Amino acid sequence: DIVMTQSPDSLAVSLGEGATINCKSSQSLLYSSNDKNYLAWYQQKPGQPPKLLIYWASTREAGVPDRFSGSGSGTDFTLTISGLQTEDVAVYYCQQYYSVPWTFGQGTKLEIK
Amino acid sequence: QVQLVQSGAEVKKPGASVKVSCQASGYTFTSSSMHWVRQAPGQGPEWIGIIHPSGGSPVYAQKFQGRVTMTRDTSTSTVYMELTSLRSEDTAVYYCARRPPDGYSYIDYWGQGTLVTVSS
Repeated sequence: DIVMTQSPDSLAVSLGEGATINCKSSQSLLYSSNDKNYLAWYQQKPGQPPKLLIYWASTREAGVPDRFSGSGSGTDFTLTISGLQTEDVAVYYCQQYYSVPWTFGQGTKLEIK
Repeated sequence: QVQLVQSGAEVKKPGASVKVSCQASGYTFTSSSMHWVRQAPGQGPEWIGIIHPSGGSPVYAQKFQGRVTMTRDTSTSTVYMELTSLRSEDTAVYYCARRPPDGYSYIDYWGQGTLVTVSS
């Protein structure tokens, strides 16, 4: 199984500042035949299911604010939130869909400082 | 709009079985596979398996092989997930979650979740 490891486990950022969440996979998520990274990011607020933010490592889902961006390739990926807003307080998860079983990171809790 | 509506919370004793339903609407049911994912308290999501509503065998995570069965009813646009031989570690919120029509296995829509509590 591919192991997904996020860092940090928690993060406190001031309103208006930027936040960076990292995700490392135990093997490459880059599929050579289509040059795509099989990595998604989700946001989960208390009592709600996760919400898709980013897929293909950097493609923003429709309706997701452009302050959310994804980057990285191979085994190292980053979710960046620029200009933190109160509604961004949540737990963020990465997920690989390169191979079965599809696996998630342990989560990064983002709070306001 | 896409909606996935799940059945209500369940409380089960160890060794029992639970069957969770998920009714889809707002899209062509047979065009998208459905994942089942669970999330134990304070933990990250865990993938259980996937079923294609139009046919074919489900694919299960090895961890759940022999204990999980996923089925579908196209007449009601509903998928089901049954988990047997429940133990306390199965206490979690269970989600159905749609694979997008492009066929790649990220998740674009989630059900509201069904809390399954296993306790004696």
